[in-house]
Amino acid sequence: AQSVAQPEDQVNVAEGNPLTVKCTYSVSGNPYLFWYVQYPNRGLQFLLKYITGDNLVKGSYGFEAEFNKSQTSFHLKKPSALVSDSALYFCAVRDINDYKLSFGAGTTVTVRA
Amino acid sequence: NAGVTQTPKFRVLKTGQSMTLLCAQDMNHEYMYWYRQDPGMGLRLIHYSVGEGTTAKGEVPDGYNVSRLKKQNFLLGLESAAPSQTSVYFCASHREAETQYFGPGTRLLVL
Repeated sequence: AQSVAQPEDQVNVAEGNPLTVKCTYSVSGNPYLFWYVQYPNRGLQFLLKYITGDNLVKGSYGFEAEFNKSQTSFHLKKPSALVSDSALYFCAVRDINDYKLSFGAGTTVTVRA
Repeated sequence: NAGVTQTPKFRVLKTGQSMTLLCAQDMNHEYMYWYRQDPGMGLRLIHYSVGEGTTAKGEVPDGYNVSRLKKQNFLLGLESAAPSQTSVYFCASHREAETQYFGPGTRLLVL
């Protein structure tokens, strides 16, 4: 079985400050990990993924995420948040031997000017 | 490429009515999925397909049926809609071992 936990329903930050969205996962084997972003009334957009290799993954719009195997975490980060980063963020995981994704409940990010 | 498209964008049904949601992709993807999104619950997998002519149940399949007669299309059917099926439905697709790409969603309201 596989699952994802996003412990924060909401994250509020001021523009220009660092942004972190937390994610922990559980899989029986090795994980493939993903972050998606959803803007209001839109579909999910892919941000970045970890498959193998470097634990620090860089993605779209200046976002990055760090894979930590010992803590089973894959936190999303951005050094300097923008108001336009305000959206709903989803973490997802799948086992490397599977193709179905399991999603977290989502974290709403609000960046205030 | 249009990517993943969904029809319709919005629909209102009465309890007991039926409808079909259409997902189409022009990327020659083998894998296709139907999810529902409800507040605070993330995305839950309803049904999926690993190729033309194949379908399988996901996490929440009850009350839904699917068909994949053509590789590019994946249909989701509600035979007798219930208020509990009020949700936003997303389709996604991908090639082997690649990232899932999502459609824009269908908002369904069942009265």
